[in-house]
Amino acid sequence: QQQVKQSPQSLIVQKGGISIINCAYENTAFDYFPWYQQFPGKGPALLIAIRPDVSEKKEGRFTISFNKSAKQFSLHIMDSQPGDSATYFCAASKGGGSNYKLTFGKGTLLTVNP
Amino acid sequence: DGGITQSPKYLFRKEGQNVTLSCEQNLNHDAMYWYRQDPGQGLRLIYYSQIVNDFQKGDIAEGYSVSREKKESFPLTVTSAQKNPTAFYLCASSMRGGGPEAFFGQGTRLTVV
Repeated sequence: QQQVKQSPQSLIVQKGGISIINCAYENTAFDYFPWYQQFPGKGPALLIAIRPDVSEKKEGRFTISFNKSAKQFSLHIMDSQPGDSATYFCAASKGGGSNYKLTFGKGTLLTVNP
Repeated sequence: DGGITQSPKYLFRKEGQNVTLSCEQNLNHDAMYWYRQDPGQGLRLIYYSQIVNDFQKGDIAEGYSVSREKKESFPLTVTSAQKNPTAFYLCASSMRGGGPEAFFGQGTRLTVV
């Protein structure tokens, strides 16, 4: 059972455009939703994260939009740059106690053309 | 510099052999994790440990084993029982109870030859 579904699988955007990646989750106990960025041959790096008590979080060109009722969240990359070309993973975890293990989506390969 | 160190970066294994992947962290994190990454599959959890001398199976633990004898170290052994071990293996750590942010190492690419 795939608990976090991510789309699209791949995305091509022109420089300066907006990149949008979507994720949907099933487990209503999830309470932490991070996005990771991964370059080829490297480990993922935390990009931005949100908790369900807010509907939007912005950090520079990166924004997470969160819809609790729809159990969906998305990453928006404004003014996309070729350096943003990477694989992006959404994830979710449920806290409580000491268990913060993450459940990941399958990833989106973003290509930003110059 | 604080961080997570995985070694080796590349590893080749003959069929039937066990191999051990190293993961060391100096972030003073309590929790450590091993993920496997395959193309188009995202990251799948193999094992995780919240505290020294304790660890739990993740979603795909069959064919793998771990130990957590020190807070800083969480080695992963890929045994001969793992039928399809060729993959990119990622180690991560996080604070236990202090926040869910997970930090990843640079990965080990294992290839069966």
